[in-house]
Amino acid sequence: QLHLQESGPGLLKPSETLSLTCSVSGDSVSNDNYYWGWIRQPPGKGLEWLGSVYFRGTTYYNPSLKSRVAISRDTSREQFSLKLNSVTAADTAVYYCARHDGSREHFDSWGQGTLVTVSS
Amino acid sequence: QSALTQPATVSGSPGQSITISCTGSSSDVGRYNLVSWYQQHPGKAPKVIIYEGTKRPSGLSNRFSGSKSGNTASLTISGLQAEDEGDYYCCSPGSSDSMIFGGGTKLTVL
Repeated sequence: QLHLQESGPGLLKPSETLSLTCSVSGDSVSNDNYYWGWIRQPPGKGLEWLGSVYFRGTTYYNPSLKSRVAISRDTSREQFSLKLNSVTAADTAVYYCARHDGSREHFDSWGQGTLVTVSS
Repeated sequence: QSALTQPATVSGSPGQSITISCTGSSSDVGRYNLVSWYQQHPGKAPKVIIYEGTKRPSGLSNRFSGSKSGNTASLTISGLQAEDEGDYYCCSPGSSDSMIFGGGTKLTVL
């Protein structure tokens, strides 16, 4: 059974870099049927796709965040990671990792989410 | 890219049917038959309930159905039940290999 688990610091100061890792069990980040993505949700607001990484390492990013975001994967550890630099209070959100079915274009399995707060 | 447009709130009584719309453009919703819908309960992660516009994941109730006309996709929930209360989001691939979510709709079961 597929399980995704986010991990990383829950509190950052403005201008710091957000770094989160998603650990995958029950599937492989090398599975060529899927992408692996990050989605966030500010408190009380809607969902925003940040980006996804394909098994070959190809990445796709939200154009509005492209200059600040980087997604990578570690096949040896069955993990993929998110980095978002120069954070501000507007980046405070619950961050979810998810498996992204690239052919059917939907997120079929999600982690539980982790809250990241940006505050001085 | 702009978020897809959904009504902020929708409500219905148990047993009734409701429909949530999701309006995009010819670059996203109108271009692909790939709209997905997600249900989210408070404090929980979203869960896919419709993908490829009309398909349901295995085991999901057939009370949930999806459709599309032009640049607008729709989610219909028939035979409303108390446990259907929550937030619903649509999502579509867009230009430049992106994924776009709707702003979300809060469903209240009266």
